[in-house]
Amino acid sequence: QQPVQSPQAVILREGEDAVINCSSSKALYSVHWYRQKHGEAPVFLMILLKGGEQKGHEKISASFNEKKQQSSLYLTASQLSYSGTYFCGTEERTDSWGKLQFGAGTQVVVTP
Amino acid sequence: DSGVTQTPKHLITATGQRVTLRCSPRSGDLSVYWYQQSLDQGLQFLIQYYNGEERAKGNILERFSAQQFPDLHSELNLSSLELGDSALYFCASSAGRTGNYEQYFGPGTRLTVT
Repeated sequence: QQPVQSPQAVILREGEDAVINCSSSKALYSVHWYRQKHGEAPVFLMILLKGGEQKGHEKISASFNEKKQQSSLYLTASQLSYSGTYFCGTEERTDSWGKLQFGAGTQVVVTP
Repeated sequence: DSGVTQTPKHLITATGQRVTLRCSPRSGDLSVYWYQQSLDQGLQFLIQYYNGEERAKGNILERFSAQQFPDLHSELNLSSLELGDSALYFCASSAGRTGNYEQYFGPGTRLTVT
């Protein structure tokens, strides 16, 4: 089942912070975050695993609440390069391992 | 550059036709994933192969099929094409078969069905 992302879009000025949320109604094994710039392929940012392990980008932080099946991505001191569409992908406990269901995406625009 | 290659970059074809999209994973990656991205549907998981075997299936239409060959490259075959099949098709690869591994996406193949 597709996770729900919020907000749909956010406009920031350089240096501002933002939080993108991702929630699922299913128990999750992992949450992935990817960023896609217009006309390009999605690029891996981070994986959050059940049990608290994280793998990913040094300058981007995220959290994973396993009990609530929710994850949040934190964009801190945003830079122009942070602009793009952010997708969360969730791996469900009851589904085939490795299969990611992606949210509809959150469009982030960072302005000077 | 993710290391994942996809060909062709663009494909324009007519309804009812059949096309084949090709993907070569990153060196050493055993898993290949196929995704469809259209404007109104976001990124939709189609199918995953791990070391030559089908691992997981999404909402892939019966008109679509895929396979992973011994050299680990993969092909996605789309037949009896309809206008609604127009989309960007991404291939991704990862080292393992579960969600513990990051996925690296290729540049995509843009399919236009006229």
